[in-house]
Amino acid sequence: AQTVTQSQPEMSVQEAETVTLSCTYDTSESDYYLFWYKQPPSRQMILVIRQEAYKQQNATENRFSVNFQKAAKSFSLKISDSQLGDAAMYFCAYRGLTGGGADGLTFGKGTHLIIQP
Amino acid sequence: GAVVSQHPSWVICKSGTSVKIECRSLDFQATTMFWYRQFPKQSLMLMATSNEGSKATYEQGVEKDKFLINHASLTLSTLTVTSAHPEDSSFYICSAREWGVAFFGQGTRLTVV
Repeated sequence: AQTVTQSQPEMSVQEAETVTLSCTYDTSESDYYLFWYKQPPSRQMILVIRQEAYKQQNATENRFSVNFQKAAKSFSLKISDSQLGDAAMYFCAYRGLTGGGADGLTFGKGTHLIIQP
Repeated sequence: GAVVSQHPSWVICKSGTSVKIECRSLDFQATTMFWYRQFPKQSLMLMATSNEGSKATYEQGVEKDKFLINHASLTLSTLTVTSAHPEDSSFYICSAREWGVAFFGQGTRLTVV
């Protein structure tokens, strides 16, 4: 079974600075997707960024970028120029492709990101 | 992006009664939807995969007779918590996939008293 590990229960960063959230995963599959989701206090899950395992290039979305190290099974999220609105729980998630597209997501335990004004 | 709507947002029910939660994909069709459960300050755990026109697939340890899933159309899946007990109190979230990305409903906070 796949597992996703987020080793940082909580992170704090000053507004406008950069923060990196770590995520490692374990899988025997060669092709899969990785995601970062944000869950603010409203508890609505919001997609931040996604990475296809077959792509070597790291995904970027504006201030958000990932460092995907497939051999190391590592998928960290970097948030640049942190803003107060970035404060939330961040979940790393894995989806395999062996289920014919019907696989649900496996989530890490989450990292609570605090932005200090 | 694709929109998934979940209803109700919160519900309080008495122990022993049943509660139905609806999950709709508003602007796309979803042959597969997913139901998750989230305990306070914890992660989301996949409960079951809802398949349009066929039986749902439940994760290990999830009671299929307790959590009834019906996916009668390409835009609607329902989760019914039967004979609810206080330990069923939790936050339930559905999702549907579009363009390979899971989009989530707003979630339902269930409190069983």
